Amino acid sequence: EDQVTQSPEALRLQEGESSSLNCSYTVSGLRGLFWYRQDPGKGPEFLFTLYSAGEEKEKERLKATLTKKESFLHITAPKPEDSATYLCAVQLQTGANNLFFGTGTRLTVIP
Amino acid sequence: NAGVMQNPRHLVRRRGQEARLRCSPMKGHSHVYWYRQLPEEGLKFMVYLQKENIIDESGMPKERFSAEFPKEGPSILRIQQVVRGDSAAYFCASSPLGPPEEKLFFGSGTQLSVL
Repeated sequence: EDQVTQSPEALRLQEGESSSLNCSYTVSGLRGLFWYRQDPGKGPEFLFTLYSAGEEKEKERLKATLTKKESFLHITAPKPEDSATYLCAVQLQTGANNLFFGTGTRLTVIP
Repeated sequence: NAGVMQNPRHLVRRRGQEARLRCSPMKGHSHVYWYRQLPEEGLKFMVYLQKENIIDESGMPKERFSAEFPKEGPSILRIQQVVRGDSAAYFCASSPLGPPEEKLFFGSGTQLSVL
């Protein structure tokens, strides 16, 4: 059965304290892995797509990496405005019409 | 360029009533997706539509749920005879290209509460 697991469920960081969020997946065939950010009361906002093991993408304080079994979202020197829920989703080779989402990591950055 | 617009933002229905959720995609986007987010669960795919066509409804319950995306006007997700278990946030997303389009633009969702 296809599965996407994100950890931790919640993370509290001091401003400037770097950390990583994990997304592990067990799927029949991965076409792409996506990271989204979701603020309370809003829809998810696209951050990155990764397609192959070893690939990395960066945007401001965020860097996403991909291996054959998991992806990491590294947050360097976070700021309070980085507080949000970060969602990981996979797109399968056999089901490219939809994304299969994890339950997210709720990040709080304390000033 | 306005984003994906969903209305209403909040909808309260009593058991047995009908709920109609509307989604206007971004300008130039002809592909629409509906997702449902239950408390403490991840977003679940429901249906993918192009103008006037349902392409993939594999995530939609077989009964009481229907979706359309007419030639003119917004996409509509319709839930007949709602039950308490239908209470959730319903998100619409759009994209300019069909799958495997990498980037979906999501609306702010409709929070459905069934009393």
